[in-house]
Amino acid sequence: RKEVEQDPGPFNVPEGATVAFNCTYSNSASQSFFWYRQDCRKEPKLLMSVYSSGNEDGRFTAQLNRASQYISLLIRDSKLSDSATYLCGFNQAGTALIFGKGTTLSVSS
Amino acid sequence: GAGVSQSPSNKVTEKGKDVELRCDPISGHTALYWYRQSLGQGLEFLIYFQGNSAPDKSGLPSDRFSAERTGGSVSTLTIQRTQQEDSAVYLCASSFDSRIGVYGYTFGSGTRLTVV
Repeated sequence: RKEVEQDPGPFNVPEGATVAFNCTYSNSASQSFFWYRQDCRKEPKLLMSVYSSGNEDGRFTAQLNRASQYISLLIRDSKLSDSATYLCGFNQAGTALIFGKGTTLSVSS
Repeated sequence: GAGVSQSPSNKVTEKGKDVELRCDPISGHTALYWYRQSLGQGLEFLIYFQGNSAPDKSGLPSDRFSAERTGGSVSTLTIQRTQQEDSAVYLCASSFDSRIGVYGYTFGSGTRLTVV
């Protein structure tokens, strides 16, 4: 099993749609989890951390399922500006983040 | 500075030449990371510095790659005898000490390296 797996997509959705991505990880000792957004030819930018209890930031909701070893990102009411690649990342304390290859989202009008 | 600064933003070099890439992290960030991203690929971890501890070099692909961090701040990634497969965007990131808390990274805008 790969260290981290993401469905590369692309996910093509209309404006206003709800879309969800998952990211599975193989290292059960992983402690910190993040979602990053990367626009074309730009650097990744932190979207949100993922907490055990789940967390929400506006239209974005992140969940962690330790038993099944995956994190999820839910985007509600998609906007054109949400079009990007979404990367998941995780690590143990004191180690560097390991990133997935990303899921591409395309929101159309 | 306000963000992570990388230079140069673009570098074209001939196969076999050495290159140096520079990263200036956010002031106060004790952790510094180098990644590279090839076209259409994910982020590949290269090396990680945390304060004065020995760096984690486990991601360096070959002994042609090396990095140093002077004074706990600026870092230089050196690639010797460049090969065409070294062409990629090299990204630097910094964060607070990840051993004591959950901190996301701030990335620089990267150095796009092209080996011809």
